Amino acid sequence: GQNIDQPTEMTATEGAIVQINCTYQTSGFNGLFWYQQHAGEAPTFLSYNVLDGLEEKGRFSSFLSRSKGYSYLLLKELQMKDSASYLCAVDSNDYKLSFGAGTTVTVRA
Amino acid sequence: DAGVTQSPTHLIKTRGQHVTLRCSPISGHKSVSWYQQVLGQGPQFIFQYYEKEERGRGNFPDRFSARQFPNYSSELNVNALLLGDSALYLCASSPTRGGGTEAFFGQGTRLTVV
Repeated sequence: GQNIDQPTEMTATEGAIVQINCTYQTSGFNGLFWYQQHAGEAPTFLSYNVLDGLEEKGRFSSFLSRSKGYSYLLLKELQMKDSASYLCAVDSNDYKLSFGAGTTVTVRA
Repeated sequence: DAGVTQSPTHLIKTRGQHVTLRCSPISGHKSVSWYQQVLGQGPQFIFQYYEKEERGRGNFPDRFSARQFPNYSSELNVNALLLGDSALYLCASSPTRGGGTEAFFGQGTRLTVV
């Protein structure tokens, strides 16, 4: 089976940094995705990690450690529009994504 | 460019009824996957179709079925609806079947079963 864990909620102040952790235990591993989902909207792609290390993309960075079954998404210089749910998803075989329950990030002024 | 389009956006059905949800993938994408997202949870995989054939199925009862048409659009059918089927149904398209390919999601269909 697939087990993907991430915190339920996080709150941070505008301009701050927040780190969302994701741990996974899956039967296979091709890579790990992070998606952002605003309430009532579709998930939108943020990042994809295949190899260990840090991938930086503007204000967002994602890290992967395959040996530890661990990833994090780092959001810097938080803005109000970053308030959303962040989904960690493992690409464990060639036809599906296995998602965590999502982390709701609330950015306060 | 048109993204993934789903219809209808919202739907209310009664227990025991049947529902058909529709999805049009991004032009050129041959793979369509369906996911169910219950409030407060992450999406759960239901089906993947690639080149009009079912390539993968998640842990859902036989009341759920789907198909893909020659133009790569897809339908998800759910029979004998239960209250627990109330959820956001997401369609995702990808250019290929293989892993490592970004999945582009539609806005979803919000199904409420009463």
